[in-house]
Amino acid sequence: GENVEQHPSTLSVQEGDSAVIKCTYSDSASNYFPWYKQELGKRPQLIIDIRSNVGEKKDQRIAVTLNKTAKHFSLHITETQPEDSAVYFCAAPLNSGYSTLTFGKGTMLLVSP
Amino acid sequence: DSGVTQTPKHLITATGQRVTLRCSPRSGDLSVYWYQQSLDQGLQFLIQYYNGEERAKGNILERFSAQQFPDLHSELNLSSLELGDSALYFCASSSTNPGTENTEAFFGQGTRLTVV
Repeated sequence: GENVEQHPSTLSVQEGDSAVIKCTYSDSASNYFPWYKQELGKRPQLIIDIRSNVGEKKDQRIAVTLNKTAKHFSLHITETQPEDSAVYFCAAPLNSGYSTLTFGKGTMLLVSP
Repeated sequence: DSGVTQTPKHLITATGQRVTLRCSPRSGDLSVYWYQQSLDQGLQFLIQYYNGEERAKGNILERFSAQQFPDLHSELNLSSLELGDSALYFCASSSTNPGTENTEAFFGQGTRLTVV
């Protein structure tokens, strides 16, 4: 099955800086890559996703890039704000054709005012 | 509100006991997923059901079992509980059908299980 590695495990930035979180995956057949945000004590929520037929997707201050050749995808957050502080998880399908997601171990992002 | 309902929110029980966690998926979603979240393990996939049938299995212990009922709600049964089973258990649902494009998985608020 798919294996997703996520780095870094923690990331501290100043408000207004950019933050980048990277994930690698092992199954070249994987075609869906979502990112979830989990605030302290709350449920994970989807913030952005990308499919394998595009290389980049943006939604206001967040963007995701996908490099299928290298089998990695990244989350970019620009102009970070304190409310961006949370744990971010990348994910990919457990197996080709499966809807089940396997998650990276998460990145704790801390944005200091 | 994601539309996925989990009960109870908190559960404290003793080692060796058995508990049942309940999940009601979003209206219309046929797929239900169970995940375990421990402090150092991230989100570990346990098991998936699709329209009443087991669809995928992850790192689920033999002491754990699950089922999905005709009304699509699901239950996760944890037995012979150990201290290490203390964790946050999430249920998620999606409208993705097997073999079709993935869609968003919506998570419930989780059940925090504490084994003492």
